[in-house]
Amino acid sequence: AQSVSQHNHHVILSEAASLELGCNYSYGGTVNLFWYVQYPGQHLQLLLKYFSGDPLVKGIKGFEAEFIKSKFSFNLRKPSVQWSDTAEYFCAVSNGGSQGNLIFGKGTKLSVKP
Amino acid sequence: ETGVTQTPRHLVMGMTNKKSLKCEQHLGHNAMYWYKQSAKKPLELMFVYSLEERVENNSVPSRFSPECPNSSHLFLHLHTLQPEDSALYLCASSQDSGTNTQYFGPGTRLTVL
Repeated sequence: AQSVSQHNHHVILSEAASLELGCNYSYGGTVNLFWYVQYPGQHLQLLLKYFSGDPLVKGIKGFEAEFIKSKFSFNLRKPSVQWSDTAEYFCAVSNGGSQGNLIFGKGTKLSVKP
Repeated sequence: ETGVTQTPRHLVMGMTNKKSLKCEQHLGHNAMYWYKQSAKKPLELMFVYSLEERVENNSVPSRFSPECPNSSHLFLHLHTLQPEDSALYLCASSQDSGTNTQYFGPGTRLTVL
């Protein structure tokens, strides 16, 4: 069965610090990869996604993620975080099949201190 | 605002009550989903509907009963729930069930007493 691991439950950073959130998945076939973000009191929003092509994907708000197939990883990065990036971040994987079911990680809560 | 709305936003119910959650999408999508979000657990897919037909049911207890009368509306009927069913219930939609970018609603925070 597919699974998604997010290694950090809670990350605390100061503004301007660099961010990297880990995501590893277990599935040997073709995958589609996603990062979703949930700001306090708001709904889940798509941050970025990878279907194919350039493994370095750029998303909204300065976020990017790199798909490393050999490591089964899709880590999320941002060079300089802001207080407004405080949110919970979810990695998700789909095998791209006809049902397109997403398997989510447990999420990583990011707290950015002003 | 993603184009997916859910009502009510908060619901408190007793174990013997019957209630329904409603989801509506204004995106012209053909697939709709129910998820359960519990504290410290991954989002759990409950049901998938594609063109108003259920295509996935992830071993969800029968006290949860989905209904999809048309491609824009999705309901989750609740009866005789347990306190452990308290969670945030999220609705999502996508263009079709094979296109994986899903758009989520704000959720219904359910508390079962």
